[in-house]
Amino acid sequence: GAGVSQTPSNKVTEKGKYVELRCDPISGHTALYWYRQSLGQGPEFLIYFQGTGAADDSGLPNDRFFAVRPEGSVSTLKIQRTERGDSAVYLCASSHAEDTEAFFGQGTRLTVV
Amino acid sequence: DQQVKQNSPSLSVQEGRISILNCDYTNSMFDYFLWYKKYPAEGPTFLISISSIKDKNEDGRFTVFLNKSAKHLSLHIVPSQPGDSAVYFCAASVDAGGTSYGKLTFGQGTILTVHP
Repeated sequence: GAGVSQTPSNKVTEKGKYVELRCDPISGHTALYWYRQSLGQGPEFLIYFQGTGAADDSGLPNDRFFAVRPEGSVSTLKIQRTERGDSAVYLCASSHAEDTEAFFGQGTRLTVV
Repeated sequence: DQQVKQNSPSLSVQEGRISILNCDYTNSMFDYFLWYKKYPAEGPTFLISISSIKDKNEDGRFTVFLNKSAKHLSLHIVPSQPGDSAVYFCAASVDAGGTSYGKLTFGQGTILTVHP
């Protein structure tokens, strides 16, 4: 597809379980970002990749959150021991470089019950 | 600490009139500002941006104004159309080492409703 694709669109999981959220960026985009949007709030930065490496992970809330981008394209956000407070929409964005417009995916709505 | 604030949760405007969305920021290091529009169940879509070296940027019906001394920016939409009804987010970034950096700090958003 032409845009940023995120799967699944919705994910319901039980408290304490492990989840993986996937992001397929626009082809050729080297920069990739993960954001989290809680109800009634704007997106909050989690992590930024330039190529395969995490250039800035200062937004990850704690060590239960981890993200990878092993081949510099697809990225996976991993959340261990999920808590109800992790419920949010997780947004992925990509751009050609760090100084160009970022395009967002539609997000994955994570609900922890 | 909310570094980017949109103090109006919602705005209702009549079709054809002007919509003015406001945004305030506290971090004086921010030097690039953007507006995004978001429809339900979709990701945010880039609308317009402005660098701190400018005080105005215009693109069709959309104009963004920046007042650095007041740490305030606004988005003007004129004329407003029903299709403009969406959530509008203000965002800001800090220049890192000579290049703009896509790590954005967002406001809480303003729900704009344009009535026919």
